[in-house]
Amino acid sequence: KAGVTQTPRYLIKTRGQQVTLSCSPISGHRSVSWYQQTPGQGLQFLFEYFSETQRNKGNFPGRFSGRQFSNSRSEMNVSTLELGDSALYLCASSSQKGAGANVLTFGAGSRLTVL
Amino acid sequence: SQQGEEDPQALSIQEGENATMNCSYKTSINNLQWYRQNSGRGLVHLILIRSNEREKHSGRLRVTLDTSKKSSSLLITASRAADTASYFCATFPYNTDKLIFGTGTRLQVFP
Repeated sequence: KAGVTQTPRYLIKTRGQQVTLSCSPISGHRSVSWYQQTPGQGLQFLFEYFSETQRNKGNFPGRFSGRQFSNSRSEMNVSTLELGDSALYLCASSSQKGAGANVLTFGAGSRLTVL
Repeated sequence: SQQGEEDPQALSIQEGENATMNCSYKTSINNLQWYRQNSGRGLVHLILIRSNEREKHSGRLRVTLDTSKKSSSLLITASRAADTASYFCATFPYNTDKLIFGTGTRLQVFP
């Protein structure tokens, strides 16, 4: 079965712009989690969605938001981009809610560069 | 904030040698997982060990968990060049419903 698909894989934006990243989970998986990975901060949890509801949120400003659709696909949005938002954004899916209790299957990531 | 810290930060070995990575964490956990990440790519799950387990094996991987010391180790036996990657521990603390990743160990295996 197909893995977790993230689009776009690479993108370049300028400060002040906004960006939307997309994640299609493994078929049948209803939980989607998002992580930000930077050299300085490592892997930081952004949020988890299950059945279109945000279950958990990490310590990120309100500029970071997300949503999940009825088909379990998820999007995350970052508004008013800052240089520090440059990162690899990783999406992961699991079959049940609770990102901690379950094994996560990750996508290849979306590499965002903010100039 | 990071729950886990891996040690060493980087490790270089020759093919055929064993590689040991350690993970220390701060709070009580439900489980601990290990993931591998090839350069700039997504993470791949390796193994999950529950808080009531002390050791687990999967192929060439051996994971131990010492909840009294809040530490875990990942042993890769007979390493191969293809094992070159970053390895992360991730914990599921009792008081959260999140998987929190450590800082990672970069493993380089030379042919």
